[in-house]
Amino acid sequence: EAQVTQNPRYLITVTGKKLTVTCSQNMNHEYMSWYRQDPGLGLRQIYYSMNVEVTDKGDVPEGYKVSRKEKRNFPLILESPSPNQTSLYFCASSWDRLQETQYFGPGTRLLVL
Amino acid sequence: LAKTTQPISMDSYEGQEVNITCSHNNIATNDYITWYQQFPSQGPRFIIQGYKTKVTNEVASLFIPADRKSSTLSLPRVSLSDTAVYYCLVGLWSQGNLIFGKGTKLSVKP
Repeated sequence: EAQVTQNPRYLITVTGKKLTVTCSQNMNHEYMSWYRQDPGLGLRQIYYSMNVEVTDKGDVPEGYKVSRKEKRNFPLILESPSPNQTSLYFCASSWDRLQETQYFGPGTRLLVL
Repeated sequence: LAKTTQPISMDSYEGQEVNITCSHNNIATNDYITWYQQFPSQGPRFIIQGYKTKVTNEVASLFIPADRKSSTLSLPRVSLSDTAVYYCLVGLWSQGNLIFGKGTKLSVKP
């Protein structure tokens, strides 16, 4: 089954404690991205990757890092999480950045205390 | 700079047709418009995509007028299970950017 998986689905952490949210897709898509979703603000893109070793900033990249060492995986790293990064995070993948349908993961709900 | 605008919420009744409009200024002729549906605690799910005139699939229609300053998602005969948030997404070739609307919360009542 074609899918995007994220782990963990729920995470509670404390300010400053580094964390990684994993994202994996099994569709051989070249394009992957991370979004955060906050009430009243909709979905905002954090980072995206056009292919292995190619990443770029989205609209709200501050406080986040990503890497794309393999085509299927695109982890999101918070080196020093802060409470304003409490949010719902979605990973997505597609063949192409602007034209093709994006497939979204189930989401990761993060609470930073 | 392109921007998308959608109504925050809409109410409807079962069996009615629902039209949700997304306004998007400054989009080029080859910029795609995509609509997604999102249920609570789930990721957005693709509904329909197009870049001109009208597109129809088994669940919805997408109308894009000639001036392309807006697009309308049409859901025929909605049911309670269509209660969700609907997002429009514009893929801007000219700017190399993706613009998500803030979503329209559709509530379908019996």
